[in-house]
Amino acid sequence: DTGVSQDPRHKITKRGQNVTFRCDPISEHNRLYWYRQTLGQGPEFLTYFQNEAQLEKSRLLSDRFSAERPKGSFSTLEIQRTEQGDSAMYLCASSLGVGGLQETQYFGPGTRLLVL
Amino acid sequence: ELKVEQNPLFLSMQEGKNYTIYCNYSTTSDRLYWYRQDPGKSLESLFVLLSNGAVKQEGRLMASLDTKARLSTLHITAAVHDLSATYFCAVGPLATDKLIFGTGTRLQVFP
Repeated sequence: DTGVSQDPRHKITKRGQNVTFRCDPISEHNRLYWYRQTLGQGPEFLTYFQNEAQLEKSRLLSDRFSAERPKGSFSTLEIQRTEQGDSAMYLCASSLGVGGLQETQYFGPGTRLLVL
Repeated sequence: ELKVEQNPLFLSMQEGKNYTIYCNYSTTSDRLYWYRQDPGKSLESLFVLLSNGAVKQEGRLMASLDTKARLSTLHITAAVHDLSATYFCAVGPLATDKLIFGTGTRLQVFP
């Protein structure tokens, strides 16, 4: 399977714990995005990378959230001191950006987080 | 801040009927996408619309874009049960790669 993969697919944690999610993009894609989706809503942008550089973060992203893409390939999203409001589906997407051309973002299966 | 609105939010339609989903957005954009999402699943790309007047068709679905009106439509022709899903439009603001999604239209097709 050459699509976007995410791990784990499901995560249950207790409030106050830290969690980390991993995303592996489509191999030739240089752009990687994180979104969050709550029940009945559309995905909400969190942050994105071009290669290893984090180019944009949502103003809604609290300091408890951090994302990395150290070698320009896979990415991790860490949530520190989780809160019940963090419960959501975390979606990763990737695209091939060439110059200013905007390409389709392909989404992974998501990581469903439940904070108790 | 770019806002994206879809209507209707919920659509229940009979097999064989036609209907249109509307997507309005609030500021200038140079690209618009339509995605499909099945319950508990991720998003599947349907269409990419990059210019005013663009029209794309795949099977029973046809999408169009009017950048002057800031409006995109997703037209469903002769609906079948397999089209039951939630459909999202997503708009790309200028000078950024992020997408702003609408709230989605949940489509249910019944016999």
